[in-house]
Amino acid sequence: EAGVAQSPRYKIIEKRQSVAFWCNPISGHATLYWYQQILGQGPKLLIQFQNNGVVDDSQLPKDRFSAERLKGVDSTLKIQPAKLEDSAVYLCASSVLAGGKNEQFFGPGTRLTVL
Amino acid sequence: AQSVTQPDIHITVSEGASLELRCNYSYGATPYLFWYVQSPGQGLQLLLKYFSGDTLVQGIKGFEAEFKRSQSSFNLRKPSVHWSDAAEYFCVRGSSNTGKLIFGQGTTLQVKP
Repeated sequence: EAGVAQSPRYKIIEKRQSVAFWCNPISGHATLYWYQQILGQGPKLLIQFQNNGVVDDSQLPKDRFSAERLKGVDSTLKIQPAKLEDSAVYLCASSVLAGGKNEQFFGPGTRLTVL
Repeated sequence: AQSVTQPDIHITVSEGASLELRCNYSYGATPYLFWYVQSPGQGLQLLLKYFSGDTLVQGIKGFEAEFKRSQSSFNLRKPSVHWSDAAEYFCVRGSSNTGKLIFGQGTTLQVKP
């Protein structure tokens, strides 16, 4: 079974530029999560989708971050414009359903460096 | 707000020695607790989980954890550490309804030969 796929794996941009990350969850997983992991910290949830609807985006900086999950499968996370403090690893995870007993499977992440 | 605390940022143990990584969670009914491991260049992998029932849970790679409600703790243990166990370990609390994960800051494990 294929795991969660993410691309690109690495991205370097200048501040104020835009960037987009892509995630393809495990087939059949209805729930998709985006996490931000700043160096030296644990991942922090940015947004959670159930199919193509948003369940939780309370910690998403909506003035610069946006995310969508068209057709309830793939998802993209965009930052526009980027700031220095956005340098982090962006992790995508998926689970069969929402709910604490459903294991989340994580992708390898995209490491973003903002110069 | 729910939170998870890992008091030890960095731990070094000798190969073959026993290991205990500490974790404390903020009070709440029926905590869903997990331990994840993150190796360099690898994604996060689930080691074990606790939802209810037996307070001693077994995981993969020889790890186990014990849930102690009286101490709000969920410490991870391994009787004999291997060099390949060197990694970042995260104690995590999960929301029972949405599945949202709240991560501790992590403990970096270094294994001496």
